[in-house]
Amino acid sequence: AQKVTQAQTEISVVEKEDVTLDCVYETRDTTYYLFWYKQPPSGELVFLIRRNSFDEQNEISGRYSWNFQKSTSSFNFTITASQVVDSAVYFCALSGNNQGGKLIFGQGTELSVKP
Amino acid sequence: ETGVTQSPTHLIKTRGQQVTLRCSSQSGHNTVSWYQQALGQGPQFIFQYYREEENGRGNFPPRFSGLQFPNYSSELNVNALELDDSALYLCASSLRQGPTNEKLFFGSGTQLSVL
Repeated sequence: AQKVTQAQTEISVVEKEDVTLDCVYETRDTTYYLFWYKQPPSGELVFLIRRNSFDEQNEISGRYSWNFQKSTSSFNFTITASQVVDSAVYFCALSGNNQGGKLIFGQGTELSVKP
Repeated sequence: ETGVTQSPTHLIKTRGQQVTLRCSSQSGHNTVSWYQQALGQGPQFIFQYYREEENGRGNFPPRFSGLQFPNYSSELNVNALELDDSALYLCASSLRQGPTNEKLFFGSGTQLSVL
């Protein structure tokens, strides 16, 4: 069975702090894909990143960075120098090979960035 | 903005009624997926449509059904509404070009309340 666990339900930081959101996944597939989505209060899920299981290189995009470690089945997300606009619910998701649009989402982590 | 539009934005129904939710996919996309998101939870996959046929289904009963039209827009129909059907229903469109796990682009959702 496939499963995604985001153990942090809520995180609160002060602006300019760095924050890491944890994601641990379970799958028996050898090929799979991992995603992060951001859900602001408007409700729309905003795509942040997709990573396939054969690409363990860490990725940086501006203030965002992702650390993928197959050995620990983790795909953590770090926001550097957080801003108030980063306040949202963040979801980690997993998709098996050839599963198309079927994503298994974690419970989400609500990030609150205070000025 | 993703270009995925959903209507209506909010809907109130009573138990036992039927409801139809609509989704217009992003221009150029050929696949639509539907998700149910209960309050405080991650989205759960309902089903996906590709080339007007159901192409994968999650753990939802048959009273959840859908359609995809030639212009790739889609409908989600729910019969015999139950109180637990109260949730945010998210539509996502994507471009399938082969056996891969495409990025999903989500709409803002329809908030359904069943009384």
